[in-house]
Amino acid sequence: QQQVKQSPQSLIVQKGGIPIINCAYENTAFDYFPWYQQFPGKGPALLIAIRPDVSEKKEGRFTISFNKSAKQFSLHIMDSQPGDSATYFCAASQGGSEKLVFGKGTKLTVNP
Amino acid sequence: DTGVSQDPRHKITKRGQNVTFRCDPISEHNRLYWYRQTLGQGPEFLTYFQNEAQLEKSRLLSDRFSAERPKGSFSTLEIQRTEQGDSAMYLCASSLVALFLGYTFGSGTRLTVV
Repeated sequence: QQQVKQSPQSLIVQKGGIPIINCAYENTAFDYFPWYQQFPGKGPALLIAIRPDVSEKKEGRFTISFNKSAKQFSLHIMDSQPGDSATYFCAASQGGSEKLVFGKGTKLTVNP
Repeated sequence: DTGVSQDPRHKITKRGQNVTFRCDPISEHNRLYWYRQTLGQGPEFLTYFQNEAQLEKSRLLSDRFSAERPKGSFSTLEIQRTEQGDSAMYLCASSLVALFLGYTFGSGTRLTVV
């Protein structure tokens, strides 16, 4: 059972475009939603995270939008650059647990 | 301290052999996590330590898997009688105090069972 569903599986945009990656969850006990970025041969690195008491969080060019009623959240990358080409994972955890449940990932390619 | 260190980076082993991986977390981090990542998938939780205590284990962690963190610093993950299905990237992460601060992952150990 996949607890966090991520889409699309892959995404290609031109430099300067705004890729959007979506995630949906079923477990209403989830209360922490991070996004990780992974380059080939490296471990994932935390990009940005949100709690469900806010609908949007922005850090630099990265924005999380959160829709609690729809149980969905998304990552937007403003003014994307070729260096943003990586695999992006959404994840979730619930209070009292240190375990993160990850989506399957989205491979983003930003063409120059 | 440059981050979470994992050793070895790559391991090729024959089916049935035992393997052990080591993780050195960021020195002041008291929480340590092991995840497994197969090709095209997100990381899957295996186990978690707070200091030397193993507080949570996934059902993925079969009897052939064991993890230790004897002095609350480095950790080892051992797989006994390896199977081809164990081939994956094994990721270690550490964190301080609260999950909300996020994990710092190492670069992983890639295991290939032939």
